[in-house]
Amino acid sequence: QVQLVQSGAEVKKPGASLRVSCTASGYTFTDYYIHWVRQAPGQGLEWMGWISPRSGATYHVQKFQGRVTMTRDTAISTVYMELTRLTSDDTAVYYCAREGGLETLDHYFDYWGQGTLVTVSS
Amino acid sequence: QSALTQPASVSGSPGQSITISCTGTSSDVGAYNHVSWYQQHPGKPPKLMIFEVNDRPSGVSNRFSGSKSGNTASLTISGLQAEDEADYYCSSYTISNTVVFGGGTELTVL
Repeated sequence: QVQLVQSGAEVKKPGASLRVSCTASGYTFTDYYIHWVRQAPGQGLEWMGWISPRSGATYHVQKFQGRVTMTRDTAISTVYMELTRLTSDDTAVYYCAREGGLETLDHYFDYWGQGTLVTVSS
Repeated sequence: QSALTQPASVSGSPGQSITISCTGTSSDVGAYNHVSWYQQHPGKPPKLMIFEVNDRPSGVSNRFSGSKSGNTASLTISGLQAEDEADYYCSSYTISNTVVFGGGTELTVL
């Protein structure tokens, strides 16, 4: 069965960097894009961007320009999302989610990781 | 990109039908059929309920259906059950090659 397993909760200080991992199983890793979505406490969902596990190409929302990097390691079916220069506004649960379309971007998300709670606090 | 507009809350009794609206613009909901709906229970990740406006993933009850007219999409849940109580989010692809979500709707089953 398809599974996305994320790394554990983290506490970071303002100005620090964060890296969340997302390990996929149960399907051909390179066949589906992976998206990143975050959810601040008590708030709605916010799409951050995507990575192609096949090519390594990425795309992210302008809001995160210069702060976010998405990478992948095909040998271990894992994608990473790094976010730098953290502020309290980055406190959220970060989710990885699999693109629903096979080898394409239809921009819906059929499987989700369990979420990684990131708390930014001095 | 502004969030899509959803009602903050809706409610219904078991067995009834409810509809949640999701209003966007001609740059998102009105531009493409890439509208999807997600159900989220407290402390859990979202679950895909509807994609491409009105398609249901395997395993999702046919009590859930989607539609779209112009810049507004809708999710209808028929035969409400206690387990349907959750938050629901719509999302849409946009002409800026991004995805925008709605603010979420809390469904209460009375």
